[in-house]
Amino acid sequence: GNSVTQMEGPVTLSEEAFLTINCTYTATGYPSLFWYVQYPGEGLQLLLKATKADDKGSNKGFEATYRKETTSFHLEKGSVQVSDSAVYFCALSDGAGSYQLTFGKGTKLSVIP
Amino acid sequence: NAGVTQTPKFQVLKTGQSMTLQCAQDMNHNSMYWYRQDPGMGLRLIYYSASEGTTDKGEVPNGYNVSRLNKREFSLRLESAAPSQTSVYFCASWRAGQATDTQYFGPGTRLTVL
Repeated sequence: GNSVTQMEGPVTLSEEAFLTINCTYTATGYPSLFWYVQYPGEGLQLLLKATKADDKGSNKGFEATYRKETTSFHLEKGSVQVSDSAVYFCALSDGAGSYQLTFGKGTKLSVIP
Repeated sequence: NAGVTQTPKFQVLKTGQSMTLQCAQDMNHNSMYWYRQDPGMGLRLIYYSASEGTTDKGEVPNGYNVSRLNKREFSLRLESAAPSQTSVYFCASWRAGQATDTQYFGPGTRLTVL
């Protein structure tokens, strides 16, 4: 079956530090890959996505590249802000028509001034 | 558009009580989903409805029932609540037929079972 593995948290960074959250996946076929963000007390919001190999998703300074050869979709940001403090989820859909998402367990990021 | 809405936002139940969590979407999406979120567990799918009139079990369906009332509304019922059902519940929807699209989430219902 499909699975998503994210780096364990929590992650604590100082403002303006570089962020990487690792995500690897196992899936059949050609999945689409997503990063969701959950701010405290809120639901999940789509942060970025990539639908085929070598695609780069980007939004709000965050980037992730779909690497089929390493089955990875690592999230990066060059300079984090306090407002980026949230839980980040990596997810995939296998595109097989079931329209279901498989989620990683989430990584909590705290950014301190 | 309001997107995906959920009611109530918070609820406290006693063991054995029943309740229904309501979810509605105004995006004309075909598919709807119920998840629960527990610390360290990520999101786990309880039930989903691929289209109006159909429902299917997800990863953790025991203790829950669902009703797809119409295209807009998808409710989750706890018939006899247990402390293990203390969780945050999220509803989501997806426009079927667009494999590169994704799910849109409601704000969640925080349920405590004493």
